[in-house]
Amino acid sequence: QKEVEQNSGPLSVPEGAIASLNCTYSDRGSQSFFWYRQYSGKSPELIMFIYSNGDKEDGRFTAQLNKASQYVSLLIRDSQPSDSATYLCAVKTDSNYQLIWGAGTKLIIKP
Amino acid sequence: SQTIHQWPATLVQPVGSPLSLECTVEGTSNPNLYWYRQAAGRGLQLLFYSVGIGQISSEVPQNLSASRPQDRQFILSSKKLLLSDSGFYLCAWNPGGGAFFGQGTRLTVV
Repeated sequence: QKEVEQNSGPLSVPEGAIASLNCTYSDRGSQSFFWYRQYSGKSPELIMFIYSNGDKEDGRFTAQLNKASQYVSLLIRDSQPSDSATYLCAVKTDSNYQLIWGAGTKLIIKP
Repeated sequence: SQTIHQWPATLVQPVGSPLSLECTVEGTSNPNLYWYRQAAGRGLQLLFYSVGIGQISSEVPQNLSASRPQDRQFILSSKKLLLSDSGFYLCAWNPGGGAFFGQGTRLTVV
């Protein structure tokens, strides 16, 4: 069974520090990797995606992918209280139609 | 630009009552559409997906059904709700990469 694993947290990070969120996946055929942010009571919002090994940066966010280790991470630099949310990792495999979802990591940024 | 609408935002229904949640997409044609459910503190559970009118795939056997009567309309239904149907229901559109979600419906079955 294809699985995506995330530490449920909560992960507590001081304001201004780097938050590091991790995700592992079981299917070596996975092709695309997505990070979503979900505020309490709201729907998930796509914030980053990555397809190739290495780093991808977008503002304060950096996604890192290591296919050999089946590992994808999200770094948030200069963390702000508004970054407090649950972060969901999703992986697209060989199916055109489905994403496999992790259960999410709750991130708390402490002022 | 593409937008996805889902309603209602919140719903409280008694056990045994019917359910109908509607989702529509604007600005695209023949979208892949999905219904997910998210229990409190849990990840997303895929319930149904549709690649076209009248085409529905069910992922989890349950008390729910889905229909796609029009290209950009996706409906989630139940004839008789159970307490276990409570949750956060999300409609999503997938243009081939990541999914984009509607606002969600918080369903409480009492």
